[in-house]
Amino acid sequence: QVQLVESGGGVVQPGRSLRLSCAASGFTFITYAMHWVRQAPGKGLEWVAVISYDGSNKYYADSVKGRFTISRDNSKNTLYLQMNSLRPEDTAVYYCARPLWQRGEYFQHWGQGTLVTVSS
Amino acid sequence: DIQMIQSPSSLSASVGDRVTITCRASQGISNYLAWYQQKPGKVPKLLIYAASTLQSGVPSRFSGSGSGTDFTLTISSLQPEDVATYYCQKYNSAPFTFGPGTKVDIK
Repeated sequence: QVQLVESGGGVVQPGRSLRLSCAASGFTFITYAMHWVRQAPGKGLEWVAVISYDGSNKYYADSVKGRFTISRDNSKNTLYLQMNSLRPEDTAVYYCARPLWQRGEYFQHWGQGTLVTVSS
Repeated sequence: DIQMIQSPSSLSASVGDRVTITCRASQGISNYLAWYQQKPGKVPKLLIYAASTLQSGVPSRFSGSGSGTDFTLTISSLQPEDVATYYCQKYNSAPFTFGPGTKVDIK
């Protein structure tokens, strides 16, 4: 079965960096675009970024553009989110998510999430 | 970018009631709309995609309709296990924006 396991969250000071990972298993990773979605405490879902199956195309929410970088290593079945210049408003649970099908960016599969807290 | 608006932001209804949640896109998105249910402390669950296609395993009391800019999620007979926050999401093109959510509870 599909498994997505995020790691790398923690407490970080404003302006610092953090890299999240998402280890994927149970499906052919290289054939799916992959996404990051976040949820601030007590708030709604916010789409963050997507990377195409081969890493050639990437798109970001305006709120993170220029600060966050999505990447993937298809040899390791792993998705990454490099987060630089972190701000308190980046505090959230970060989920990696896989679409239901290989086309159509809506999400059937979610990891359990990793909490990022940006605070001094 | 296209904005997604949901209404109401919250509602309270009785068991057995018909519940309707509305999602509006600021520009047309054809039928590229999904609905999710999120219970407290849980990850979101995909309910509906392509505006009206019920995901496998989702109870038939859930249904979706709409196209273009106006969409609805309907629960035909509210059950206690339906207490959750419901989100719409556009996926015609990036950014794949979610609506702000509608919190549903039992009166």
